[in-house]
Amino acid sequence: KAGVTQTPRYLIKTRGQQVTLSCSPISGHRSVSWYQQTPGQGLQFLFEYFSETQRNKGNFPGRFSGRQFSNSRSEMNVSTLELGDSALYLCASSQYRGDYGYTFGSGTRLTVV
Amino acid sequence: GQNIDQPTEMTATEGAIVQINCTYQTSGFNGLFWYQQHAGEAPTFLSYNVLDGLEEKGRFSSFLSRSKGYSYLLLKELQMKDSASYLCAVKDSNYQLIWGAGTKLIIKP
Repeated sequence: KAGVTQTPRYLIKTRGQQVTLSCSPISGHRSVSWYQQTPGQGLQFLFEYFSETQRNKGNFPGRFSGRQFSNSRSEMNVSTLELGDSALYLCASSQYRGDYGYTFGSGTRLTVV
Repeated sequence: GQNIDQPTEMTATEGAIVQINCTYQTSGFNGLFWYQQHAGEAPTFLSYNVLDGLEEKGRFSSFLSRSKGYSYLLLKELQMKDSASYLCAVKDSNYQLIWGAGTKLIIKP
């Protein structure tokens, strides 16, 4: 079956712009989590959605938001981009909130200039 | 606060055995994961421990001691392709994954 699909793979934006990233989970997976990864920082948790409801939120400013649709696809939005938002954004899906593991997408590499 | 500690970098020789340790302090415990991440790629699932003891899966084994807040990943018969970062993550009482910064493993011929 198809894996986790993230679009776009690469993105270049200027400061002050906003961006929307998309994540399509594995068919049947209802949980989607988003992470920011920067060199030396590891994976920083952004938020988790399960059945269209945000279940957990990390320590990121309100410029970072997300949502999940009825088909479990999820979007993440970052408004008023800052240079420090440049990172690899990963989403991970699981059947039920991590049981048996999470499967990651290939990520979206966002560069803010 | 919640914290996951793992060594930043380790070096080992092809064909040898290496043990990567992970210690954690979290709000509750609902399982511990190990992931492998090659440079520029997404993390891939290696193991999941929820009960104490050793889980063996081919060349890779993972051990958990909940009372000590400790886990290790054991890699045997190292191959050059095992050069990667190894990430330890704990699922806390809110089902949120807390991640370590990762251990970069360098394999030398």
